Amino acid sequence: SQQGEEDPQALSIQEGENATMNCSYKTSINNLQWYRQNSGRGLVHLILIRSNEREKHSGRLRVTLDTSKKSSSLLITASRAADTASYFCARPETSGSRLTFGEGTQLTVNP
Amino acid sequence: KAGVTQTPRYLIKTRGQQVTLSCSPISGHRSVSWYQQTPGQGLQFLFEYFSETQRNKGNFPGRFSGRQFSNSRSEMNVSTLELGDSALYLCASSPWWDTEAFFGQGTRLTVV
Repeated sequence: SQQGEEDPQALSIQEGENATMNCSYKTSINNLQWYRQNSGRGLVHLILIRSNEREKHSGRLRVTLDTSKKSSSLLITASRAADTASYFCARPETSGSRLTFGEGTQLTVNP
Repeated sequence: KAGVTQTPRYLIKTRGQQVTLSCSPISGHRSVSWYQQTPGQGLQFLFEYFSETQRNKGNFPGRFSGRQFSNSRSEMNVSTLELGDSALYLCASSPWWDTEAFFGQGTRLTVV
């Protein structure tokens, strides 16, 4: 079962708008990761933020992490139709490469 | 660098049959993990291999098994297929633990 929660479950916006997705988790982490999945395809890694980092940027993506609240957010600025996808946060287990995924946010960007 | 390659991409099997899925990780990556994705359960961890050893196993019945070869390629096997095994099976490789994972395109298994 999933150990992370993401909200919203679905988000529909217009091109050019910003999209914000949130992720909460229950246990301590070394890092938190965000992935994108286009319909029925594999996941693509977006950003990894470590527990001692508060914010990280990659192009139009900005991820924040608040370990005191056990939450993270992914902001996509100036969204494009090509950003339409499902976005997942994932927490690695303390040993190994096992990832526990949230339920995902389905983002639709309308042209 | 070539990405993670999963074969086959699509598969249709009958209940009771068995199936073997293959995953070739990125060159140099020693960790391979498998996940099952369904609309109802989301992304569920199956197992993880590192240097031919199973490090972690998810909460799946014994019908699901896997292995990793000395060249890091991995296979997973599902025996006595059930309708509920219909899913997208994803393989991911990582250079080490606690790093990002690189996913293949998945194998879409349909059990009829």
